[in-house]
Amino acid sequence: AQKITQTQPGMFVQEKEAVTLDCTYDTSDQSYGLFWYKQPSSGEMIFLIYQGSYDEQNATEGRYSLNFQKARKSANLVISASQLGDSAMYFCAIARLLIQGAQKLVFGQGTRLTINP
Amino acid sequence: GAVVSQHPSRVICKSGTSVKIECRSLDFQATTMFWYRQFPKKSLMLMATSNEGSKATYEQGVEKDKFLINHASLTLSTLTVTSAHPEDSSFYICSVDRAATGELFFGEGSRLTVL
Repeated sequence: AQKITQTQPGMFVQEKEAVTLDCTYDTSDQSYGLFWYKQPSSGEMIFLIYQGSYDEQNATEGRYSLNFQKARKSANLVISASQLGDSAMYFCAIARLLIQGAQKLVFGQGTRLTINP
Repeated sequence: GAVVSQHPSRVICKSGTSVKIECRSLDFQATTMFWYRQFPKKSLMLMATSNEGSKATYEQGVEKDKFLINHASLTLSTLTVTSAHPEDSSFYICSVDRAATGELFFGEGSRLTVL
């Protein structure tokens, strides 16, 4: 079975500071994918960044980067230069590849990030 | 524009009635869609994998007779909450996997309130 653990229920950060959201995972799969999503109060799930288990370089997408440490089974999200609009729930998820090629996600508990002006 | 459309976004119903939620893939055909449930301030929990042309695969603890899933076409999956009760009130959200590119897209979600 796959499991994602996010140990920070809430984080408070000053605007323009960098923030790291923790995520550890457990899986018996050799090949897997790790996702981070942002969920504002509207409920939509906004894709932020993806890291494949065999990717040697850490993924980056604009202000988002993923600190992937495979041996430690951690996939922390780093947001640089935080903005007020970054306030939201953040979910880490691990994907299992199904036979039909689709990816089944297991989500962590989430971290509520609040950016203070 | 949206790749996945979910409808209705909000629904309020009386206890004992059934509610149908639709998830449409707008840009591509999808043989597999996923249905999640999210309680307030909680995480998304996978309910079932919707498979086009065959029965859905339900996660452990999810009542298949309670949550009927139909994936009759390559662009549409429906979730029907049968004989809804207040404890079924939740946020239901679907996702669609574009297997060719590995991209995952989520619907906007449907907030169900059962009175």
